[in-house]
Order: sequence, then C-alpha cells, then structure tokens
Amino acid sequence: DIVLTQSPALAVSLEQRATISCKTSQNVDNYGISYMHWYQQKPGQQPKLLIYEGSNLASGIPARFSGSGSGTDFTLTIDPVEADDIATYYCQQSKDYPLTFGSGTKLEIK
Amino acid sequence: EVQLQQSGPEVGRPGSSVKISCKASGYTFTDYVMNWVKQSPGQGLEWIGWIDPEYGSTDYAEKFKKKATLTADTSSNTAYIQLSSLTSEDTATYFCARGDTMGINGYWGQGVMVTVSS
Repeated sequence: DIVLTQSPALAVSLEQRATISCKTSQNVDNYGISYMHWYQQKPGQQPKLLIYEGSNLASGIPARFSGSGSGTDFTLTIDPVEADDIATYYCQQSKDYPLTFGSGTKLEIK
Repeated sequence: EVQLQQSGPEVGRPGSSVKISCKASGYTFTDYVMNWVKQSPGQGLEWIGWIDPEYGSTDYAEKFKKKATLTADTSSNTAYIQLSSLTSEDTATYFCARGDTMGINGYWGQGVMVTVSS
C-alpha cells in the first residue's frame, strides 16, 4: 500500500500563508498526471474536495487554495489564511488501490 | 445538484450486523462508483472499498474483506454497506463518497455514526 505522510498540525496567523505537505512512499504520477487529491474536513462534517490531480481547483473552491508538487512530494497552500479555514486537511492518492489517505494536518490559528 | 443522503445513526450489539444506506441524486447513479470510507473517533480517513452500481462489481481493502459487504440498488439509486460481526473497533463514522475514474471523491455523504455497545 502507498503510505502518505503529513505533519499532524500547523499554526499560522490570519492573513498569512499556510503550507501543508504530503509525502508518499511511492511515485503517484503516471503519464504526466498526479494522482494526488486534497480534502478539507471541519469538525462534525464530511470531507470536501479542494484540489484534484495535484493542482486543479475543485468547483466552488476559493482561489486562496492551491496545490503543487509531483512524484512523491506534494503541497497544499492556503494564501491568505482566513478564520473559516480552520479544519483538518487530508491528502489522498489514487495511483494504486487501495486508496490511501494521509493522517491529516490540523490547521490552527496562532 | 449532486447529493448523497445517508441513513441515520446506528447502535449495534457486539457480534451483530448493521446496514447503512446512501441514496444518490442529481446524477446518473450508474456512471460513477461509490466509495465507502471509515473514520474512527478522533482519527483519520480509511478507505473500505468501492462498488460499481452498473455491474455490481466490488473491491475491498484487505482488512475489510471479511467485515464489509457493499451492494447497490439501481432501482432506487441507493448504495449500501453492511458491517458484520461487530466489535468495538467498528465504532466509527462511515461515509459514502462518489468516486470517478481517477479515484477522486468529489461528493460525500454526511456520514453515519455506528456505535457498538452491549
């Protein structure tokens, strides 16, 4: 199984930039496509798709969110951070089954 | 508007089974697979498996092969997950999520809390 590693938590100030990383145990690119996706989950809610295929913004998601990276190293950036962004962020790979998720990064406000 | 409406919370006794539903609307049910994801209290997301409603084909994560059974009813656009031989380890929230050919889970149900208690 492909293992995804995320830092447990990140504290940033409002209106600053948040950078959340996700490292995979195997390459999740194939034919130029990154099989890496990002989700936001607020307490008591279901996850919401933010970014798909590494860098594509999902429908209705503000442009403050962006994704980058390739191979085994990926980043979700939120710039600027707003109070409503307080949540846990998960990366997920779909290069191989079983689908696997990172353990999540909890975004906190300084 | 795509919607996945899941059934209500469940309480099951150890050793029993529960069956959760996920009713899809706003899209052609047979055009997408349905993934199921487990979230234990305070923990992360864990993929259980998927079902292709058009063919009834399924795939499971190894650890859930004896625990979960996925089915789908195309007449009612509803996917189901049955969890058997319940133990305290099965206490969790279970989500359904519409999956596309790239493995992207674009839409999620609201989740169902399953509590295993005697």
